Amino acid sequence: GIQVEQSPPDLILQEGANSTLRCNFSDSVNNLQWFHQNPWGQLINLFYIPSGTKQNGRLSATTVATERYSLLYISSSQTTDSGVYFCAVPQYGNKLVFGAGTILRVKS
Amino acid sequence: DTAVSQTPKYLVTQMGNDKSIKCEQNLGHDTMYWYKQDSKKFLKIMFSYNNKELIINETVPNRFSPKSPDKAHLNLHINSLELGDSAVYFCASSQGGRGLGQPQHFGDGTRLSIL
Repeated sequence: GIQVEQSPPDLILQEGANSTLRCNFSDSVNNLQWFHQNPWGQLINLFYIPSGTKQNGRLSATTVATERYSLLYISSSQTTDSGVYFCAVPQYGNKLVFGAGTILRVKS
Repeated sequence: DTAVSQTPKYLVTQMGNDKSIKCEQNLGHDTMYWYKQDSKKFLKIMFSYNNKELIINETVPNRFSPKSPDKAHLNLHINSLELGDSAVYFCASSQGGRGLGQPQHFGDGTRLSIL
């Protein structure tokens, strides 16, 4: 089955810094989702981005499907950005295959 | 106005007991899913139902039995709970679950702890 790899596994930022999280996948996909799992455990939809670039406030995402990767940009990070960021791609039956996540800690 | 709601949020019980987790979605979606998140935060599909029909059963022990009374509800019943069942269980829903469809929306999770 498809492999989904995320990097870096851990990231510590000072408040106000920018960061880029990466998601590589081993096979072609026709969509991709980014999620933020907050410290309370909720999985928040960030982006549904099969290709191209989308922006939502301080966050943006780019997927280059032909090269099998997606990037999540966080600008001017805030402590509320802390948590785990997951990317996930669908396989047969629309089941999502998740990466192992990037743990982000933003320090004030 | 919660889109995907799960109950209970926390479940603490003894090994060997039987328990159920309920999930309801008000998004009008035709497909619902159960995922398990282990202690290392890894998320994995367990089941999916499309219009009350089982589509995915991802080599889950048969102590786990999903039930979908209608397309807005997908419950998870677990028999003879074991220590290894301790995890967070997430319900999700989407439209178009037979192909590679639309984005999935997740509930807040149920944290199951086995004593």
